[in-house]
Amino acid sequence: AQSVTQLGSHVSVSEGALVLLRCNYSSSVPPYLFWYVQYPNQGLQLLLKYTSAATLVKGINGFEAEFKKSETSFHLTKPSAHMSDAAEYFCAVSSSGGSYIPTFGRGTSLIVHP
Amino acid sequence: NAGVTQTPKFRVLKTGQSMTLLCAQDMNHEYMYWYRQDPGMGLRLIHYSVGEGTTAKGEVPDGYNVSRLKKQNFLLGLESAAPSQTSVYFCASSAGLNYGYTFGSGTRLTVV
Repeated sequence: AQSVTQLGSHVSVSEGALVLLRCNYSSSVPPYLFWYVQYPNQGLQLLLKYTSAATLVKGINGFEAEFKKSETSFHLTKPSAHMSDAAEYFCAVSSSGGSYIPTFGRGTSLIVHP
Repeated sequence: NAGVTQTPKFRVLKTGQSMTLLCAQDMNHEYMYWYRQDPGMGLRLIHYSVGEGTTAKGEVPDGYNVSRLKKQNFLLGLESAAPSQTSVYFCASSAGLNYGYTFGSGTRLTVV
């Protein structure tokens, strides 16, 4: 069984501030972890993924995430927020345990203030 | 490089009408999925397919049917539309568990 918890349905930051979006997962086998971004009126776009290589993963638009097995976390960060980062962010987990279905978190809406 | 294409982008149906949503992908992906997205509910899986000619139920399959006659196409049918099926529908495809999804741009369906 696998599950994903995204802490905070909304996160508000000022432009230029650090972005931290939290994701915790549970999985009985080594997981594959993903972050997706959804801009208004668009589909989801893959931001980055962890597939058991380097624990620090760099993605598009300056985002990165660190896989921490001991904390079962995969938090998304960006050093300096831009107004264009305002969007919905989804964390997802899949595993090699036999299911073809990734589990998505409920999403976190990132609000960026000028 | 089209990726995943969904048609139509918008549709308004009357209660009881039927319709088919088309999803087409040009990446030769084995796995395809249909989700619905509702405010506060996140993404909910309706049906999925692990290859041409296969389909399986997801979390919320009632009132929907699917077909995957060709590898590149995954059709979602609504047999008798209900207001509860008002939602944004997303199709996604994947090459495998560790590749992530490619999503279409969505179909906004309103049932009145």
